[in-house]
Amino acid sequence: AQTVTQSQPEMSVQEAETVTLSCTYDTSESDYYLFWYKQPPSRQMILVIRQEAYKQQNATENRFSVNFQKAAKSFSLKISDSQLGDAAMYFCAYRSYNQGGKLIFGQGTELSVKP
Amino acid sequence: SAVISQKPSRDICQRGTSLTIQCQVDSQVTMMFWYRQQPGQSLTLIATANQGSEATYESGFVIDKFPISRPNLTFSTLTVSNMSPEDSSIYLCSVVPGGPYNEQFFGPGTRLTVL
Repeated sequence: AQTVTQSQPEMSVQEAETVTLSCTYDTSESDYYLFWYKQPPSRQMILVIRQEAYKQQNATENRFSVNFQKAAKSFSLKISDSQLGDAAMYFCAYRSYNQGGKLIFGQGTELSVKP
Repeated sequence: SAVISQKPSRDICQRGTSLTIQCQVDSQVTMMFWYRQQPGQSLTLIATANQGSEATYESGFVIDKFPISRPNLTFSTLTVSNMSPEDSSIYLCSVVPGGPYNEQFFGPGTRLTVL
């Protein structure tokens, strides 16, 4: 069975600075997707970024980028130029290639942004 | 994309009673997914609901406790039966429009408190 681990329950960053959230996972599959979701206090789950395992190039979405290390089964999220609106719970998630909808989530990292 | 609404947004219930949560999507989708998020925890998949067939439950979840209906391609309900305080959670509906390889969308969630 696949597992996802986020070892940082809480992180803090100064506004305009850069922060990296860690995520490791375990799987025997070769094809899969990895995601970072943001959950603000409103509870709405918002997709931040997505990575296909077969792609060697790290995904980037504006200020958000990932460091995907397939051999090490590591998938970290870097937030550059942090903004107050980035404060939220961040979840790393795994999805098997053909199991659309069945996400396995990590425990989450609560990110606070200091003005 | 998909816009998902859930009713109710929150409720407070007495133990031993049941609550039915509704999920409405603005487009037709083959599969709908129900997740549970216990207080301070991550999301866990309860079941997958296909139109015209019985729902498929994940380990640890049973139909008698969480019966699901899927009468058409845009609507589903999840019932939490014979509730106990341990059922206090946020329940989220989710879909993957257009096929299992696409982006996953979540509803705003239903916050349930059982006294």
